[in-house]
Amino acid sequence: AQSVTQPDIHITVSEGASLELRCNYSYGATPYLFWYVQSPGQGLQLLLKYFSGDTLVQGIKGFEAEFKRSQSSFNLRKPSVHWSDAAEYFCAVGSGGYQKVTFGTGTKLQVIP
Amino acid sequence: DAGITQSPRHKVTETGTPVTLRCHQTENHRYMYWYRQDPGHGLRLIHYSYGVKDTDKGEVSDGYSVSRSKTEDFLLTLESATSSQTSVYFCAIRIGTSGRADEQFFGPGTRLTVL
Repeated sequence: AQSVTQPDIHITVSEGASLELRCNYSYGATPYLFWYVQSPGQGLQLLLKYFSGDTLVQGIKGFEAEFKRSQSSFNLRKPSVHWSDAAEYFCAVGSGGYQKVTFGTGTKLQVIP
Repeated sequence: DAGITQSPRHKVTETGTPVTLRCHQTENHRYMYWYRQDPGHGLRLIHYSYGVKDTDKGEVSDGYSVSRSKTEDFLLTLESATSSQTSVYFCAIRIGTSGRADEQFFGPGTRLTVL
């Protein structure tokens, strides 16, 4: 069965600092990987996705993620965080024709001035 | 943009009562999903549908049933609500036809409280 681990429940960074959110997955074949963001009281919005090709994926809002098969990781990065990036971030892995997606438990990002 | 609405947006009910949540889409997407979101668990798949009258269970389907009689509507029913079903429920639709890593687009959610 597929699974996703986000080891950090909360992360606090200063505005303007760099950010890396960790994600490790478990899946037998080549996974489909996603990062979603959820602002308070809102639904989830897709930041980026990976299924093949270039292992460095660019997304919206200046985010990028790197797929490392040897480490079963798909970490999310941003070079300079803005106060509006404060939200909860979910890593997810999808599989199969029905695209059943398994989500991690999320990392809540706090941005301080 | 994909149009997806959920109703009601908020509901408070009592243990043992039936509850139906509705997900409505406007763009004829084939795949639809119901998730629940709870602190410390992320989102967990309850049921999904891959066409009219075609549905299947997700990882937390006990106590829930679904129906899809029209492409645009996907209903989630709690036959007899329990306090453990207090949660935020999200509907999602699968966007794209590539068959690989298609994005799921989420509705605004329904906050359900079972007293």
